[in-house]
Amino acid sequence: EVVLTQSPATLSASPGERVTLSCRASQSVSNNIAWYQHKLGQAPSLLIFRASTRASGVPARFSGSASGTDFTLTINGLQSEDFAVYFCHQYDAWPLWTFGQGTKVDMK
Amino acid sequence: QMFLQESGPGLVRPSETPSLTCTVSGGSVRSYDHYWGWVRQSPGKGLEWIGSGFYSGSTYYNPSFRSRVSISVDTSRNKFSLELESVTAADTAVYFCVCGRSYGYGSSAVYYGLGFWGRGIRVVVSS
Repeated sequence: EVVLTQSPATLSASPGERVTLSCRASQSVSNNIAWYQHKLGQAPSLLIFRASTRASGVPARFSGSASGTDFTLTINGLQSEDFAVYFCHQYDAWPLWTFGQGTKVDMK
Repeated sequence: QMFLQESGPGLVRPSETPSLTCTVSGGSVRSYDHYWGWVRQSPGKGLEWIGSGFYSGSTYYNPSFRSRVSISVDTSRNKFSLELESVTAADTAVYFCVCGRSYGYGSSAVYYGLGFWGRGIRVVVSS
């Protein structure tokens, strides 16, 4: 099973800041990584797929990058509506897809 | 814009076989380039992929669930369902129905993440 390790568990930041969230895979997942945003009581939403492709309608301040088995989600200019939990997901090891444990972005 | 909504029992007794349903609106389960799946989230195990079904009737399951799970796609009602056999307290979780785009089926397909999620339904297994 591919284990995804996200860090940090919690990130405190202020509006306008640039934040970076990390997701490390225990083995190669060929850039088949997606990032999601989840707000309490709402449906999670897809932000990034294939490590760096923004989903339709996702603001340009969200970007994804990859370096080997290390994946990063960057939010440039944090907005108030961006305070949420973010989790990564690998969809390479079919049919045993796995998820990271999430990073909570809260207000400093 | 596609919307998914889960329904089903919120409280289930151990050893029962609950069925959860996902109603799809703004899209069709007959789409040849989409798959329909289930994910659950529990405090102990975090998010877990359960499995998926395709319009073709093909289904694929996480090996951890394979012997207990069944996913079906109902084209006449535009819904898809999950059955989980012989539940225990460890199956207590929030269950999300999901939809994603794909080209092809199974291990040789190209996937594009999980584009749509429901809000989730909390299922508690307790006597």
